[in-house]
Amino acid sequence: AQTVTQSQPEMSVQEAETVTLSCTYDTSENNYYLFWYKQPPSRQMILVIRQEAYKQQNATENRFSVNFQKAAKSFSLKISDSQLGDTAMYFCAFMMLSSNTGKLIFGQGTTLQVKP
Amino acid sequence: DTGVSQDPRHKITKRGQNVTFRCDPISEHNRLYWYRQTLGQGPEFLTYFQNEAQLEKSRLLSDRFSAERPKGSFSTLEIQRTEQGDSAMYLCASSLLRGDDTIGNTIYFGEGSWLTVV
Repeated sequence: AQTVTQSQPEMSVQEAETVTLSCTYDTSENNYYLFWYKQPPSRQMILVIRQEAYKQQNATENRFSVNFQKAAKSFSLKISDSQLGDTAMYFCAFMMLSSNTGKLIFGQGTTLQVKP
Repeated sequence: DTGVSQDPRHKITKRGQNVTFRCDPISEHNRLYWYRQTLGQGPEFLTYFQNEAQLEKSRLLSDRFSAERPKGSFSTLEIQRTEQGDSAMYLCASSLLRGDDTIGNTIYFGEGSWLTVV
């Protein structure tokens, strides 16, 4: 069974600074996707960034980038130039390709507070 | 707005009562998912549909839970004889799987339906 672990329940960062959120996962699969989702308070979850396991290059979306270490099964999210609007709960998620279900397995989440 | 919509957004019910949640996915999305999320935790998969067919159910989905998607459009999630342990947010999500896609297509979430069982 696949598992996703986020070991940082809460993080805080000063506005304009950089923060890194950690995620590790466990799987015997070779083909999968990894995601970071953002869930602001009382608002819907939105996709931040996606990484295909077969790609060696780390994904980047504007201020958001990942450090994907496939051998170590690690998938961290770096947020640069943090903004107040980045305050949210962040979830790391895994999607196995072989089952073709599109089902996501989520970590426990990290609450990020961006301070002015 | 044509995103995933869920109704009701909040429901308080007495233990033992039945509740039903509705999800309207993004138009033309053929996949629809239900997740459950408790406070401070990540969402847990409950079930999913491709068109009107329910293709997978989690062991979390006890026999008091039933989900339907009768015409391949909206879906309902019914919980019978609610228990306090059912208190959670129930999230709906949808995606479009095309024949030539990998399954890494974007999944869109609704805002969730909060259930409190008292």
